[in-house]
Amino acid sequence: EPEVTQTPSHQVTQMGQEVILRCVPISNHLYFYWYRQILGQKVEFLVSFYNNEISEKSEIFDDQFSVERPDGSNFTLKIRSTKLEDSAMYFCASSDQAGAQETQYFGPGTRLLVL
Amino acid sequence: AQSVAQPEDQVNVAEGNPLTVKCTYSVSGNPYLFWYVQYPNRGLQFLLKYITGDNLVKGSYGFEAEFNKSQTSFHLKKPSALVSDSALYFCAVRDMGSWGKLQFGAGTQVVVTP
Repeated sequence: EPEVTQTPSHQVTQMGQEVILRCVPISNHLYFYWYRQILGQKVEFLVSFYNNEISEKSEIFDDQFSVERPDGSNFTLKIRSTKLEDSAMYFCASSDQAGAQETQYFGPGTRLLVL
Repeated sequence: AQSVAQPEDQVNVAEGNPLTVKCTYSVSGNPYLFWYVQYPNRGLQFLLKYITGDNLVKGSYGFEAEFNKSQTSFHLKKPSALVSDSALYFCAVRDMGSWGKLQFGAGTQVVVTP
C-alpha cells in the first residue's frame, strides 16, 4: 500500500539555524499539506500546496516558513531561522483530489527539537 | 469557525467489550468529518469519513462511526475492542471554505486491557 514518507524522523537543531523537512507524498497525489503538533497540543494546519503554489496558509506559517516541490517526488518545509517554539512533530499529508471526496494521508512525522 | 471536541482524554476498555470514542462538532454548513488513529511512532492513519448519505459509516479495522446531526456528534465505535486498538484517536472536520484544511480535536487515548 502506498505511503507518505518523511525524513528525517528526528532532527535536533540550534535556535536560529535553518532546517528542511522532507516528504515524499503518494506518487499520484496532487495536493500536499503540512501540519504540526506541539507536544500536548492539537494537530494544527500549516499550509496547503497545489500546482506549485500555496493554496492556503495559517497564521503560524509566517515568513520564516516556506514550502517547495523541488522535483516530481519531494515536498519540503523549510524553517529559515528556527525558534524554540518551533519544536514540534511535523506531519506531511497528501491527497489525490480536492473537494468532497478528498482524504488526506499522513506521513509518520518528523520530530523537531530546537535548542 | 469550524471545530471538533473530544471530551475524553482517555478511554479504558477491556478486550472484547464495545469501544466508543466521542466527538462533537461545530460547523457552518454541511460537515465533512474524519477519524484518524495514531500508533506510537507512526503517522496519522485514516480510519473513516462522513461526507453525506448513511449516518453509519464503516471504516478500517472493524471501526464504524455514527453521524448524528441533531446532536452534532460523530462518535467512533467498535463492537469488540482488541488490545491492538490501543492508540491515540483523532476526530477532524474539514473546513469547507478552504483548500482541505483539517481541524483536529485534541485526541483521545484508548487503552484496551487484556
